[in-house]
Formats: sequence, C-alpha cells, structure tokens
Amino acid sequence: DAKTTQPNSMESNEEEPVHLPCNHSTISGTDYIHWYRQLPSQGPEYVIHGLTSNVNNRMASLAIAEDRKSSTLILHRATLRDAAVYYCITPNSNSGYALNFGKGTSLLVTP
Amino acid sequence: DTGVSQNPRHKITKRGQNVTFRCDPISEHNRLYWYRQTLGQGPEFLTYFQNEAQLEKSRLLSDRFSAERPKGSFSTLEIQRTEQGDSAMYLCASSPNRGLNTEAFFGQGTRLTVV
Repeated sequence: DAKTTQPNSMESNEEEPVHLPCNHSTISGTDYIHWYRQLPSQGPEYVIHGLTSNVNNRMASLAIAEDRKSSTLILHRATLRDAAVYYCITPNSNSGYALNFGKGTSLLVTP
Repeated sequence: DTGVSQNPRHKITKRGQNVTFRCDPISEHNRLYWYRQTLGQGPEFLTYFQNEAQLEKSRLLSDRFSAERPKGSFSTLEIQRTEQGDSAMYLCASSPNRGLNTEAFFGQGTRLTVV
C-alpha cells in the first residue's frame, strides 16, 4: 500500500462543510483511494473511493488532485453523527486488497 | 441480507484459555478478512480468504492464532492459550471479488477481554 498521511484530528461546526485531507505521494497509477470511517464502538464503514476523477455519493465527495498525490474527503454539511475517525487508504493487490488503516483523522463535530 | 455478522459480540476469558470467534459474511462475497484493533489504533490486518482458501496468513500475530473458512461461507478465528495482550476488538470484513474497485463491509466486531 502507498503510505498515507492524515492530520490526527480536526474539528468542525455542525452544518458546515468539512474538508479532510490525505497525502499519498507514493501512490501507483493503479491504486484506488478509499475512505472509511469508524464511529465509536462500531466497525469501520465504507465512505467512498475513486481512481482519478472526483467522485460523489450520498455520504460525501472525494476530490483527487491531478497528480494523485493527495485527496480530500468532503462532507458537505457535517452533522453530530459524522463524528468519527476517518481513514484514507490506498489498497493494492497484495494480501487480497486488505486495508492498511493507519491512525486516521478523528473528526469532532460541535453543535 | 443483514450484513456481516460476528459472534459473540463480547468475550471475557481467563488467561491460558482458548477462544473462537465466528464471522458470517454477506452471502456471495468471495473475500473474507480478519482484523484486530487495539485501543486508540486503527484496525490491523491479520488474514484473508478467497472462498475457502486462506491466501494470506503471514500477518497472523503468532502461531496461537488460526483461522478457517471450511466451506467458503462463514469463518472462525481461534486464539489458543490467550494472553492479556490479546485483549482487543476482532473485526471481520467481506467483499465481492472485484479487485480494487470495490468496498469492504465490516461487522460490529468481537471484543475480547483476557483477565
């Protein structure tokens, strides 16, 4: 897996957008960028993934830099339920695409 | 389908005892993964199965850890002669066989406490 670097923590106000950054400067051309999140006392939950183009789904948007060395997960309107640890991961075919989670970014959302 | 199911949700055991956890993946998911998560850390990959074949087990923490997926459906993770350092959350995930362009679905985990 390409090494990813994320801030340890971030804070946001409720109903404001949140931009969670991730650096993955050693990413290879075929590695997808995946984001998962883990709410307290729960298993990780898939958020979004992409390869080159920006991606949108009902949970979030993923903006991928043109050189693919960084990406940003965008939560358009943070809610209290979005408080979680967010993991940026670039799995590859080794170990069957197992996920190397790292420490992630702990997002605090305040009312 | 109700998602990935893990049992039990909690297990307390005495040091030296053997424990076994079960994971029922989403039906028709070929791949099944086991992870361990200790407090304050992200999940750590242990092993994975493609159908009934265990294709990666070098990341299992010691020879006290073993996993099976006998018919390519449910899987079990066994820890023999448990130690206090084995206390952690054990997570199971499954995914369809679509390479990198797919997501993994996680269960709620089994929390093990070794006393």
